[in-house]
Amino acid sequence: AQSVTQLDSHVSVSEGTPVLLRCNYSSSYSPSLFWYVQHPNKGLQLLLKYTSAATLVKGINGFEAEFKKSETSFHLTKPSAHMSDAAEYFCVVSDPGGDDKIIFGKGTRLHILP
Amino acid sequence: NAGVTQTPKFQVLKTGQSMTLQCAQDMNHNSMYWYRQDPGMGLRLIYYSASEGTTDKGEVPNGYNVSRLNKREFSLRLESAAPSQTSVYFCASRPRTGHGTEAFFGQGTRLTVV
Repeated sequence: AQSVTQLDSHVSVSEGTPVLLRCNYSSSYSPSLFWYVQHPNKGLQLLLKYTSAATLVKGINGFEAEFKKSETSFHLTKPSAHMSDAAEYFCVVSDPGGDDKIIFGKGTRLHILP
Repeated sequence: NAGVTQTPKFQVLKTGQSMTLQCAQDMNHNSMYWYRQDPGMGLRLIYYSASEGTTDKGEVPNGYNVSRLNKREFSLRLESAAPSQTSVYFCASRPRTGHGTEAFFGQGTRLTVV
């Protein structure tokens, strides 16, 4: 069965500094991996997705993630944080060759310090 | 272009009451999902339906039932609501099981059980 672990429940960075949100996954197959963002009292927005075409995936708003099979990781990065990035971020896994479940991590709340 | 529509948006129930949360998608998607979101827990999968006529349990199915009424609609029923079911509920859909196929989410239903 697939699962995902987000290693930090809260991350604080200063505006203009890099962001790193960590995610490890477990999957019996070649997984589909996603990052979603949720701003306060808002719905869920897809940031980026891993489709197996390339290990480095670029998303919206300057975010990137790198799929590392040997480390079973899919960490989310951004070179320079902006105040508008303050939100909760979810790492998500799905097994295209298995059942149809989509499993969320517990989330990482990103705080941006002025 | 409505996407995934959930009704109602807000609901207050008394303990022991029943209700049905409705979800409809207009994107001709095969798969549909119900999640609950609680602070610090991320989104947890309640039930999902890989295709019309099929439903399967997710991570937290106890106390819930679902119906995949047709390809468009997937309802979630609470037969006897409990305070522990106070949560925000999200419905989602996606076209098919496949690599990199992301889910599209509704805006959520905030349910309070008193």
